[in-house]
Amino acid sequence: QKEVEQDPGPLSVPEGAIVSLNCTYSNSAFQYFMWYRQYSRKGPELLMYTYSSGNKEDGRFTAQVDKSSKYISLFIRDSQPSDSATYLCAMVPSGAGSYQLTFGKGTKLSVIP
Amino acid sequence: DSGVTQTPKHLITATGQRVTLRCSPRSGDLSVYWYQQSLDQGLQFLIQYYNGEERAKGNILERFSAQQFPDLHSELNLSSLELGDSALYFCASSVMDNQPQHFGDGTRLSIL
Repeated sequence: QKEVEQDPGPLSVPEGAIVSLNCTYSNSAFQYFMWYRQYSRKGPELLMYTYSSGNKEDGRFTAQVDKSSKYISLFIRDSQPSDSATYLCAMVPSGAGSYQLTFGKGTKLSVIP
Repeated sequence: DSGVTQTPKHLITATGQRVTLRCSPRSGDLSVYWYQQSLDQGLQFLIQYYNGEERAKGNILERFSAQQFPDLHSELNLSSLELGDSALYFCASSVMDNQPQHFGDGTRLSIL
């Protein structure tokens, strides 16, 4: 079982739809959670960063963490064609030492005008 | 623009060769991380440096090595290249260990 599971999609939605992207994880030591957006031929761009259970909102984006279920989500409201990209979840364990990210494989999203 | 600069953008070379990838972190960032992205494995952590010192190693082959210089830029050296080393190599940086990582646009390595 991989440490982080993410449905690769592809996911295709009409413009204006609410998008839900999800990851599950198996390592209970993960305490910091991130969502990155990656456009083709570009590096991952940090969208959301959270270290606690619950919701965090930033504009059209909401990150949700449920540590008891080992499940994280990213919601995109009023999706736009410019949101078309691959979305990667990433996690870091707590404790001293390295803060290497463990990534999901990414979900490819297309928002159709 | 994340502020992390990677050069070159694209490298084409042959099996058995050696290449060096360069990364300049964001101004003020002390930590540098290297990741490899391939279609089948996704993004995998290779190695981290913090203020010139090696901090952690991940799935890095013995043929690969890295260093961080006093000006905080970092280089990833890949030697005895094999076809399977073809991938995107990303550098990320953060202010300190427990801060969000910001990525460069990567170096695409193609082994012929």
